Amino acid sequence: QKEVEQNSGPLSVPEGAIASLNCTYSDRGSQSFFWYRQYSGKSPELIMSIYSNGDKEDGRFTAQLNKASQYVSLLIRDSQPSDSATYLCAVNEGRRDYKLSFGAGTTVTVRA
Amino acid sequence: GAGVSQSPSNKVTEKGKDVELRCDPISGHTALYWYRQSLGQGLEFLIYFQGNSAPDKSGLPSDRFSAERTGGSVSTLTIQRTQQEDSAVYLCASSPYGARSEQFFGPGTRLTVL
Repeated sequence: QKEVEQNSGPLSVPEGAIASLNCTYSDRGSQSFFWYRQYSGKSPELIMSIYSNGDKEDGRFTAQLNKASQYVSLLIRDSQPSDSATYLCAVNEGRRDYKLSFGAGTTVTVRA
Repeated sequence: GAGVSQSPSNKVTEKGKDVELRCDPISGHTALYWYRQSLGQGLEFLIYFQGNSAPDKSGLPSDRFSAERTGGSVSTLTIQRTQQEDSAVYLCASSPYGARSEQFFGPGTRLTVL
């Protein structure tokens, strides 16, 4: 079992719709959770961090965390063509809390 | 403020040659990471530096890979006797204090071994 698993893509959504990205993790000791956006040919860019159960909103992005279910998600509201990218879920390791494990990523395409 | 910088942005080398990749972290960040991302692959952790502590080298794929961090700031990743399978994008990230904190990535160095 992979440490961090993301829903397989690619995910295609029409402009203006909500894109929903899911991530599950295996390490019950994980305490920090991050979403990165990576455009093709570019490096990952941090877009959200979440540490407590519940929702965290930042502009059009909402991160949701459920530690009991070992599940973290990212919602992108009012999707724009500029949101077309690969989204990486990252989770810190419980024993080495400085170390992040990354999912393979979900590629999102927003259709104009 | 200035983000993480890396140089060179691209490096083409011949099999068997040594290469050095450089990373300048965000000023004030005590933690520094190196990752590797191969085409279509996920991010692979290589090494972690935190202040004056011994680095976590557990991700280095072979003894041809080494890294150092001088003065708690700039870091150099060295790959000796490069092989074609070393071709990848090498990413550096820095973090304010390491544990559980956000990591910010540099633009990466694309290494091509011919």
